[in-house]
Amino acid sequence: SQQGEEDPQALSIQEGENATMNCSYKTSINNLQWYRQNSGRGLVHLILIRSNEREKHSGRLRVTLDTSKKSSSLLITASRAADTASYFCATDYQGGSEKLVFGKGTKLTVNP
Amino acid sequence: NAGVTQTPKFQVLKTGQSMTLQCAQDMNHEYMSWYRQDPGMGLRLIHYSVGAGITDQGEVPNGYNVSRSTTEDFPLRLLSAAPSQTSVYFCAARITGSSYEQYFGPGTRLTVT
Repeated sequence: SQQGEEDPQALSIQEGENATMNCSYKTSINNLQWYRQNSGRGLVHLILIRSNEREKHSGRLRVTLDTSKKSSSLLITASRAADTASYFCATDYQGGSEKLVFGKGTKLTVNP
Repeated sequence: NAGVTQTPKFQVLKTGQSMTLQCAQDMNHEYMSWYRQDPGMGLRLIHYSVGAGITDQGEVPNGYNVSRSTTEDFPLRLLSAAPSQTSVYFCAARITGSSYEQYFGPGTRLTVT
């Protein structure tokens, strides 16, 4: 099945550093979304980027999309301990159904 | 406005028992879905629905049934629980159309012994 694959699986950084997570996917998409999950909680939507967009910003988040490489990256700048969470990318199918398929996630730890 | 609610929060079943995980939303969103989350596997789509009376299978539908009689509710039924169904289950809702964000419930942690 189509699924985004996040890289790295785990990332540990110091507060104030930037964190970059990558997502690769297999087939053409309409949109790619990033979600965050705090331990033991449901997922929360962060940002959506459409296939005709190359970059999008939201606060300290920057998302890029390269449809030729079928990949996206999520950059969190000036990280805080509260950013500690798992981050997932989710993709749909271009011309497909309503299904939104998630990757396995990157576990980010921000050390104070 | 509660968003997406799920009950119960925790459940322990014996192999072969049946149960229904409840999911309700008060946002009047047409699209609802169920995922299971296992360590190292991310979220996998079980079933989804694009509106009342319409359901379809996701990636891992075996062992699960769903129905959608109202816009608000989307219950997930385990007919005969197996240890392989031990997982955390998340329900989500959104406006129809993949360019909209999904709202997730808090999850149900199910253990099958």
